[in-house]
Amino acid sequence: ETGVTQTPRHLVMGMTNKKSLKCEQHLGHNAMYWYKQSAKKPLELMFVYSLEERVENNSVPSRFSPECPNSSHLFLHLHTLQPEDSALYLCASSRLVSGSGVTYEQYFGPGTRLTVT
Amino acid sequence: AQKVTQAQTEISVVEKEDVTLDCVYETRDTTYYLFWYKQPPSGELVFLIRRNSFDEQNEISGRYSWNFQKSTSSFNFTITASQVVDSAVYFCALSEAGNDKIIFGKGTRLHILP
Repeated sequence: ETGVTQTPRHLVMGMTNKKSLKCEQHLGHNAMYWYKQSAKKPLELMFVYSLEERVENNSVPSRFSPECPNSSHLFLHLHTLQPEDSALYLCASSRLVSGSGVTYEQYFGPGTRLTVT
Repeated sequence: AQKVTQAQTEISVVEKEDVTLDCVYETRDTTYYLFWYKQPPSGELVFLIRRNSFDEQNEISGRYSWNFQKSTSSFNFTITASQVVDSAVYFCALSEAGNDKIIFGKGTRLHILP
């Protein structure tokens, strides 16, 4: 496997279900991200993990719970979602060199298309 | 505050025509990075280019070229001799130097008609 992979690619869940999205990066990066992309809305950054520590949580509802067990894996745990949470969820990773003043590009996975019924 | 504006929501051109996608950004930082990404119908964002604010040289990669103009805070993207496979949504993005967050524009949907 190369690059950034995400599973599942498609997910349909009811509002009372609990599911998890998985992301894995094979690029040796040390920062990972979750984005939400809804129709007619810009990309929304949800969570950032740098060096396995969460450094950003953009007022995301608690029904979304991220987990980053190591620098290669990122999960997004979902529970009691709402229909408006239906969207494409994208994972990304990048290289981070603290104190370098350099921002490296992010590499994205193919996304999970989530439908909440 | 940082902001990226892609005023063109949707563009349609006939194959083999040249097309330019506009990007205007706002930042108070003197050091920053600019990016372009392509999102084909499959959904995955594909990285195209990263440019440092101190490097104002234009970049050419095959049929793709980028025009960075600090004086007008623009980072425009031109596709020469467009092809149907270029049909996608294109995002311009901005980041402060050393920041792990990237601010994306709303994207421009490009249709290349055969």
